[in-house]
Amino acid sequence: GQQLNQSPQSMFIQEGEDVSMNCTSSSIFNTWLWYKQDPGEGPVLLIALYKAGELTSNGRLTAQFGITRKDSFLNISASIPSDVGIYFCAGQLGSGGGADGLTFGKGTHLIIQP
Amino acid sequence: KAGVTQTPRYLIKTRGQQVTLSCSPISGHRSVSWYQQTPGQGLQFLFEYFSETQRNKGNFPGRFSGRQFSNSRSEMNVSTLELGDSALYLCASSDNSPLHFGNGTRLTVT
Repeated sequence: GQQLNQSPQSMFIQEGEDVSMNCTSSSIFNTWLWYKQDPGEGPVLLIALYKAGELTSNGRLTAQFGITRKDSFLNISASIPSDVGIYFCAGQLGSGGGADGLTFGKGTHLIIQP
Repeated sequence: KAGVTQTPRYLIKTRGQQVTLSCSPISGHRSVSWYQQTPGQGLQFLFEYFSETQRNKGNFPGRFSGRQFSNSRSEMNVSTLELGDSALYLCASSDNSPLHFGNGTRLTVT
């Protein structure tokens, strides 16, 4: 099946720093999604991308759909303590939502030191 | 709108027993998916139901089963529990949209 390589696996940063993480695949996806999971809760959708080259922001978060359709990037600017959590990328073959053809990365653990 | 609701939040079972987990999707969402989350394997897809029919299935043994009711609520069942079944089980609903997850059921098998 499809495989996503998400990196880094974990990040230890200082409050106020910018954060970058990415996902790469050997296959093409038509949708890229980024989720965040807080301890004891389910993943929450942060950003959805549907077009190659698309750059979308959600507050301090910015995500890009790679031109090759095989990668996506998430940046967080000026990190704050509540950014702590696990960030998951997900690639999907279609654009119709649901779980059909959806593959998740293993997640990036973000830890912020005050 | 209320979010995806999963019950119970926590469950402790013994090896060999069976368990049923419940999920109520967001109102109007007809698709319900189930995932198993463990630290080592990440999010692994179990199955997806749409209008009471299973339309996608992951690579889990037959001990894992599910169903969806006419009101879109879904249940998953795990029979003959094994220690390795200890995990967070997440339910997600969708309406031609990205998945919306519940907060999961934490299953511990002893």
